[in-house]
Amino acid sequence: EPEVTQTPSHQVTQMGQEVILRCVPISNHLYFYWYRQILGQKVEFLVSFYNNEISEKSEIFDDQFSVERPDGSNFTLKIRSTKLEDSAMYFCASMGDRGQQFFGPGTRLTVL
Amino acid sequence: EDQVTQSPEALRLQEGESSSLNCSYTVSGLRGLFWYRQDPGKGPEFLFTLYSAGEEKEKERLKATLTKKESFLHITAPKPEDSATYLCAVQAGDYKLSFGAGTTVTVRA
Repeated sequence: EPEVTQTPSHQVTQMGQEVILRCVPISNHLYFYWYRQILGQKVEFLVSFYNNEISEKSEIFDDQFSVERPDGSNFTLKIRSTKLEDSAMYFCASMGDRGQQFFGPGTRLTVL
Repeated sequence: EDQVTQSPEALRLQEGESSSLNCSYTVSGLRGLFWYRQDPGKGPEFLFTLYSAGEEKEKERLKATLTKKESFLHITAPKPEDSATYLCAVQAGDYKLSFGAGTTVTVRA
């Protein structure tokens, strides 16, 4: 069964460093998403991406964040200068033709 | 703004003791209501999508129902492996999901 994959599973970085989180969505899906979940809190929407451009972004998704689909399979989230409060689980999701979003296993980002 | 409220926050059940989880929502232009299962440290696992009031979906010991204001996830004769956090999310016109805080279910053998 097709699934969304994410790498790395855990990323530890120093405050102010850049990180890139990677995702491989399900191959025939066209809509892609990033969500995050701070420990003990709700899953929160960050950004949606369709046809090689951002279709919507939340207030969390400020100028420090960017997304890219560099080739036909990968979808990336970049945080330019990480802050302590960026520590969270980051989930990638892709959407099928009935609106169902399938999530990857997540990347745990720890900012020291 | 879309709002999703789940209750209870936590539910402890004996194996075989059926129960229900509630998800109440406020959304403009509901496209779908989603139920996910989340195990600790893992991504949400898709369970069901409900699209209109009156719709029901079933999968093994789980059954989801939808009204115009809320959804219920019924767990029938649960087993320890049903222990997880169950998340409800609504999808509006822009396709993004707005999640509730979840109900953590613990099933004791």
